[in-house]
Amino acid sequence: SAVISQKPSRDICQRGTSLTIQCQVDSQVTMMFWYRQQPGQSLTLIATANQGSEATYESGFVIDKFPISRPNLTFSTLTVSNMSPEDSSIYLCSVSLGIDEQFFGPGTRLTVL
Amino acid sequence: GENVEQHPSTLSVQEGDSAVIKCTYSDSASNYFPWYKQELGKGPQLIIDIRSNVGEKKDQRIAVTLNKTAKHFSLHITETQPEDSAVYFCAASRGGGYQKVTFGTGTKLQVIP
Repeated sequence: SAVISQKPSRDICQRGTSLTIQCQVDSQVTMMFWYRQQPGQSLTLIATANQGSEATYESGFVIDKFPISRPNLTFSTLTVSNMSPEDSSIYLCSVSLGIDEQFFGPGTRLTVL
Repeated sequence: GENVEQHPSTLSVQEGDSAVIKCTYSDSASNYFPWYKQELGKGPQLIIDIRSNVGEKKDQRIAVTLNKTAKHFSLHITETQPEDSAVYFCAASRGGGYQKVTFGTGTKLQVIP
């Protein structure tokens, strides 16, 4: 497996502002993923982030709202832009090791007032 | 796209009893099926997975079964303990390298001491 950390672990933000979430992995990985988990719900993939290329977004998620950076093989950021209360969720990064297995970070708990 | 259904949504068992969680999937091309355990305030943890060339896999008190013809797979936990209390997610993907993982809706398992 891998050791994955996220910052911040939680935050409370005002509507209209933006928050950047960081994800750090202790080993080099090709594929990193960003998920959203709304309260009491399942995980929904936001985008896949490969180093050196633009992120690939899932249906319903756009780059203007969720810009992603992937500057190297151990780090990625997700920005939640122009936030509204509906953006209150847990945001999770994950990495793919081996062929199929995905391992998750601890998550960032975001509350938008 | 893939659709994964999971039942039951909540499950309460007495300590020492067995727990079974069932999932169905829609994409006949799916061949990788991981299970995740999410404890309160933490990210999902991969606990076991199975690939389509195997019908059953066991790891100590947990086992997974797969019926590819019926598109069913199940998680079995025997001799449950209070620390098994968590939300469990099944998932499916086409595997074969960095494929999108689709998650079920989750089962909240409560083990009563």
